[in-house]
Amino acid sequence: DAGVIQSPRHEVTEMGQEVTLRCKPISGHNSLFWYRQTMMRGLELLIYFNNNVPIDDSGMPEDRFSAKMPNASFSTLKIQPSEPRDSAVYFCASSPQGRTYEQYFGPGTRLTVT
Amino acid sequence: EDQVTQSPEALRLQEGESSSLNCSYTVSGLRGLFWYRQDPGKGPEFLFTLYSAGEEKEKERLKATLTKKESFLHITAPKPEDSATYLCAVPREGDSSYKLIFGSGTRLLVRP
Repeated sequence: DAGVIQSPRHEVTEMGQEVTLRCKPISGHNSLFWYRQTMMRGLELLIYFNNNVPIDDSGMPEDRFSAKMPNASFSTLKIQPSEPRDSAVYFCASSPQGRTYEQYFGPGTRLTVT
Repeated sequence: EDQVTQSPEALRLQEGESSSLNCSYTVSGLRGLFWYRQDPGKGPEFLFTLYSAGEEKEKERLKATLTKKESFLHITAPKPEDSATYLCAVPREGDSSYKLIFGSGTRLLVRP
């Protein structure tokens, strides 16, 4: 079975530009998570969806960040406008019903904002 | 405050030199403890789930054990391909159990 799929794998953009990261969760999983990983702060949960509905977005840094999940097989994380401090690796993870803590991670998108 | 602490931060071993990584936690009412392996440029890869004190899980050269306050990841006769960062995580208590508290990881380097 395919794991979590993320695109693009690498993104380099200039400050002020809009960035959209994409994720396809594992088929049949009903929970989806967006994380950010940096050397300084480790893995941070940004937002959690259950059955396509955002349940907890308390980790979203500020209004520049937004996430959507229009259907069970697709989610986006958008940053507008982007800033250099947004540079990080962004991971998407999914988990099966009833086991939200059993999270399977995608390969990540390395974002560099110059 | 819920916390997960991993030690050591980094570990260098010669091939074949067995050792252990530690993960201590302060969450009460543990719902599980998870070990992940993360290779450079990749996402964390799920290794083990442990649910109760005394439980052990094995996979190839890795064995994970759990007590009431900590977990150990034992690496027996490691090979260079075991080099990676090993992360442990526990779910927060109550309704926020989907929130995993991750340790900062142990960077393992196994030299041939």
